[in-house]
Amino acid sequence: EAGVAQSPRYKIIEKRQSVAFWCNPISGHATLYWYQQILGQGPKLLIQFQNNGVVDDSQLPKDRFSAERLKGVDSTLKIQPAKLEDSAVYLCASSTRGTGTGELFFGEGSRLTVL
Amino acid sequence: GQNIDQPTEMTATEGAIVQINCTYQTSGFNGLFWYQQHAGEAPTFLSYNVLDGLEEKGRFSSFLSRSKGYSYLLLKELQMKDSASYLCAGLDSNYQLIWGAGTKLIIKP
Repeated sequence: EAGVAQSPRYKIIEKRQSVAFWCNPISGHATLYWYQQILGQGPKLLIQFQNNGVVDDSQLPKDRFSAERLKGVDSTLKIQPAKLEDSAVYLCASSTRGTGTGELFFGEGSRLTVL
Repeated sequence: GQNIDQPTEMTATEGAIVQINCTYQTSGFNGLFWYQQHAGEAPTFLSYNVLDGLEEKGRFSSFLSRSKGYSYLLLKELQMKDSASYLCAGLDSNYQLIWGAGTKLIIKP
């Protein structure tokens, strides 16, 4: 079974530029998450989708971050404009359970460096 | 507020046993997860406890006490490949995961 795919693995941009990350979850997984993980910290949930609807985006900085999950499969996370403090690894995860209680399967992450 | 506390770093010797503790405060409780994360890699699932007691899975065991808001991960017969961060996460009443900052485990020969 193919795992969660993410791209790009690494991205370096200057502040005020924009960046987009892509995620393809495990086939059949209804729930998709985007997490931000800063070095030395635990993952912070940015947004959770159930199929193509948003379940929780309370910690998403909506003035600069946006995410979509068209057709309930792939998802894109965009940052525009980026700030220095956005330097982090952006992890995409998916799970089978509708309420998100099941095991999360993570992708390898997209490491963002903002200069 | 909701909070997960775990030690920042621990050191242990190859072949030994180590216990990583986690205390949690969540709004409601629907279970406790442990994930392993090697440096530069994604977290991978280790265990899930929702009832009190010890769950054993090979060299790894996880314990939960709901009355004390406490869990631990026990690693036996430590191997060098066990060097990683171990993340504790509680599932609250809204089925949202509250993550700890992780415990970096260093294994020495």
